[in-house]
Amino acid sequence: AQKVTQAQTEISVVEKEDVTLDCVYETRDTTYYLFWYKQPPSGELVFLIRRNSFDEQNEISGRYSWNFQKSTSSFNFTITASQVVDSAVYFCALSRGAYNFNKFYFGSGTKLNVKP
Amino acid sequence: ETGVTQSPTHLIKTRGQQVTLRCSSQSGHNTVSWYQQALGQGPQFIFQYYREEENGRGNFPPRFSGLQFPNYSSELNVNALELDDSALYLCASSAWTTRGDTQYFGPGTRLTVL
Repeated sequence: AQKVTQAQTEISVVEKEDVTLDCVYETRDTTYYLFWYKQPPSGELVFLIRRNSFDEQNEISGRYSWNFQKSTSSFNFTITASQVVDSAVYFCALSRGAYNFNKFYFGSGTKLNVKP
Repeated sequence: ETGVTQSPTHLIKTRGQQVTLRCSSQSGHNTVSWYQQALGQGPQFIFQYYREEENGRGNFPPRFSGLQFPNYSSELNVNALELDDSALYLCASSAWTTRGDTQYFGPGTRLTVL
């Protein structure tokens, strides 16, 4: 069975602090894909990153970085020097990567509050 | 901007009624998925359409049905609405060029069932 767990329901930080959002996943597949999405109050899910199970390289994009560790089944997301505009709900998702079926399994989300 | 649009933005219905939600995918995206997101929860997969045929369904009853059209638009129909159907309904499109393609989401339709 596939499952994504985001244990942090809500996090509050002060602007310019670094913050890490945790994501732990479960799957028996050897090929799978992991995603992070941002959901601002408007409701639209904004794609942030896609990572396949064979690529464990960490990735950095501006103030955002991602740490993928297969050994602990984790795909954590760090925001460096947080800003008020980072306030949103962040979702981690898993796709099994089947050729003819692309269902996403989402975690329950982490609400990030960045205070000025 | 993802290029995925949904209508209407908000909708209020009463229990027992039927509703149709609409989605327009990115041009060239031949796969559309629908998700239900209850308040404070992550999106839950309803079903997926590929080339106008349903090719997978989540744990939702048959009163949730859909259609996909050749012009990259799609519909989600819900019959016999129940109070628990109140949620944000999201559609997502993907290109299906490789496995695990990124899904691009629309802004959602917020459905309230009274």
